[in-house]
Amino acid sequence: IAGITQAPTSQILAAGRRMTLRCTQDMRHNAMYWYRQDLGLGLRLIHYSNTAGTTGKGEVPDGYSVSRANTDDFPLTLASAVPSQTSVYFCASSDSMGDPIYGYTFGSGTRLTVV
Amino acid sequence: QKEVEQNSGPLSVPEGAIASLNCTYSDRGSQSFFWYRQYSGKSPELIMSIYSNGDKEDGRFTAQLNKASQYVSLLIRDSQPSDSATYLCAVNPSGAGSYQLTFGKGTKLSVIP
Repeated sequence: IAGITQAPTSQILAAGRRMTLRCTQDMRHNAMYWYRQDLGLGLRLIHYSNTAGTTGKGEVPDGYSVSRANTDDFPLTLASAVPSQTSVYFCASSDSMGDPIYGYTFGSGTRLTVV
Repeated sequence: QKEVEQNSGPLSVPEGAIASLNCTYSDRGSQSFFWYRQYSGKSPELIMSIYSNGDKEDGRFTAQLNKASQYVSLLIRDSQPSDSATYLCAVNPSGAGSYQLTFGKGTKLSVIP
């Protein structure tokens, strides 16, 4: 693989179920991010990780959790899905060792529908 | 709340014309600015970055930055139908955590053959 791989590509999930969206990068980027994209609201940051072993909350973290056990993987977990979490989820990474930062590389996205 | 504002469009231009996309941001301390292109159903793709006041050119694309006016723009010369997409402006706000970007909601561009 080259870049960022997200899985699954799409998913229909029953409300109340737990789900983990997977994200793996092979670029050895130190920083990783999860965004959700909704019509009319744009891209909103859910959680981020500046380096392996650390995570932080973004603009819309409620109902989501993340972990960063190593450089390459950054899974996003919905503990108990609700219909308002229906969205397209993008994982991204950046190699930002200084100032100014560089842009993100995005994965292809996961389209999640909670019913 | 540090904001990035864009006109949602759609912006329609004829093929061969110059498309001008604009973005304003609220955080005066922002240092890094980016333009992404997103085709329908696809992920955003980085097309330009700019860090200093002035113009930066890359092929048919020119990014312009004016930090005093808190304004960044993207010009697309000789617009092609393949340029039809949503263009996202992104800014690295100061104090947000070193690497985070705040995105505008995007401007939809339609290039008419």
